Amino acid sequence: DVVLTQSPLSLPVTLGQPASISCRSNQNLLYSDGNTYVNWFQQRPGQSPRRLIYRVFNRDSGVPDRFSGSGSGTDFTLKISRVEAEDVGVYYCMQGTHWPPNTFGQGTKLEIK
Amino acid sequence: EVQLVESGGGLVQPGGSLRLSCAASGFIFSSHRMHWVRLAPGKGLEYVAAITTNGDSTYYAGSVEGRFSISRDNSRSTLYLQMGSLRVEDTAVYYCARETQWGCGGDYWGQGTQVTVSS
Repeated sequence: DVVLTQSPLSLPVTLGQPASISCRSNQNLLYSDGNTYVNWFQQRPGQSPRRLIYRVFNRDSGVPDRFSGSGSGTDFTLKISRVEAEDVGVYYCMQGTHWPPNTFGQGTKLEIK
Repeated sequence: EVQLVESGGGLVQPGGSLRLSCAASGFIFSSHRMHWVRLAPGKGLEYVAAITTNGDSTYYAGSVEGRFSISRDNSRSTLYLQMGSLRVEDTAVYYCARETQWGCGGDYWGQGTQVTVSS
């Protein structure tokens, strides 16, 4: 199975400051169709997961534009340009390229300093 | 409005069984691959199982293979997860999720149902 390694695992951020989460894969996530199936999910406390980004950089409907995704091959990043209080939660990268199974990273817990 | 509503969770003894259901509405259920994902206490999200649109193919995480069975009834717009030989480490909130684009994970998720395995 593909292993996704996120860093950092804990991310204290001051309100209004940027945040960045790294996701590294032990296998290339470029699929034979030319797409890279790396997705990002947010899970706020007490809520269900919510997808923020799909196929590396595509924002889901309703996701604020302060969230952005980038990367290629084995290295991927989720960035928040200016952290707001509602961004507190756990963030997961997920790969769907080498399916089955889908695999998630360990999660990164974002908190406000 | 897309809705996924899980049910069937509860407290069960080790070695016991449980069947989870996920009732879908607001979309054409039979057009979507469906997944079960769980969140155990103090851990991260873990893929559990998936099923293709017509149910002809299923996939399982290694940790549940041989003990869990995913199925669907497209006439009832319902997804199921039959869980057997339950272990303490299966304790988690179980979510069903709809996949719209291959490889992109769940674009809609249910609210989750709690499964607790304990003696």
